[in-house]
Amino acid sequence: DTEVTQTPKHLVMGMTNKKSLKCEQHMGHRAMYWYKQKAKKPPELMFVYSYEKLSINESVPSRFSPECPNSSLLNLHLHALQPEDSALYLCASSRDRFVGELFFGEGSRLTVL
Amino acid sequence: AQSVTQPDIHITVSEGASLELRCNYSYGATPYLFWYVQSPGQGLQLLLKYFSGDTLVQGIKGFEAEFKRSQSSFNLRKPSVHWSDAAEYFCAVGSSGGGADGLTFGKGTHLIIQP
Repeated sequence: DTEVTQTPKHLVMGMTNKKSLKCEQHMGHRAMYWYKQKAKKPPELMFVYSYEKLSINESVPSRFSPECPNSSLLNLHLHALQPEDSALYLCASSRDRFVGELFFGEGSRLTVL
Repeated sequence: AQSVTQPDIHITVSEGASLELRCNYSYGATPYLFWYVQSPGQGLQLLLKYFSGDTLVQGIKGFEAEFKRSQSSFNLRKPSVHWSDAAEYFCAVGSSGGGADGLTFGKGTHLIIQP
C-alpha cells in the first residue's frame, strides 16, 4: 500500500484537451515531485515543490504546469499535449527536499491521441 | 557529476535460486544509495537504502545490499527468489547535500523468473 495517492490511474486525452493529474500524500512530507517515465526507462524529474517554492526541470515544456493547493496536494495540469507525452506520470514525496528517500505513488498512465 | 551504472539490462533466474543485481556508482563523497523495485504499470517501491554505518543493509521482501566503497558498488542480493520478484529494479544514488530531488537513477535491470 502506498501513502501517495494518484488519480486517475489511466487517462486518455486528445491533443486539444485540458486535463489534470492529482496527487495527495498523507505523511506530512514537505517535498513533492512529479516524474515522467517512458517504457523501459528510469523516471525523469519534472518538478519539485518544497517550502512553497516550485523548481522546474528546464527541459519540461510549458504544456505541463504544476499547482500546489496545499502542502499535501500536488496537481499537474495538462494542455495541448503531444503524442510523445504519453507516459507513466509518477508523483513522489519525501520528508524534506534535502533529506531522505522518495516515496512514490502508483502512477497515472497517460495516453495522448 | 554523480552517475549510476546497472550493467545488466535483463537477468533470468530460476525460482528458488539466488540473485545478485549489480550497481556501480560514481560520486566523489559518501553517497546515499537506494534500490527501488517497480512492477509493470506501478510506481516505484523502496527496497532498501544506505546512508551510513553498517555496509550490509537489510531491506524488505528478503533483499539485502552491500556497500563497497573500494569497488564503488551497491549490489542487491536475495538468497532465494520467488516468482513475485519478477519486476524492474532501479539503483539510485543521491548526494548528501543534493536532496531527494538530486537522485540519479540507473537504467534498470529487468528480472525474469523461470519456473
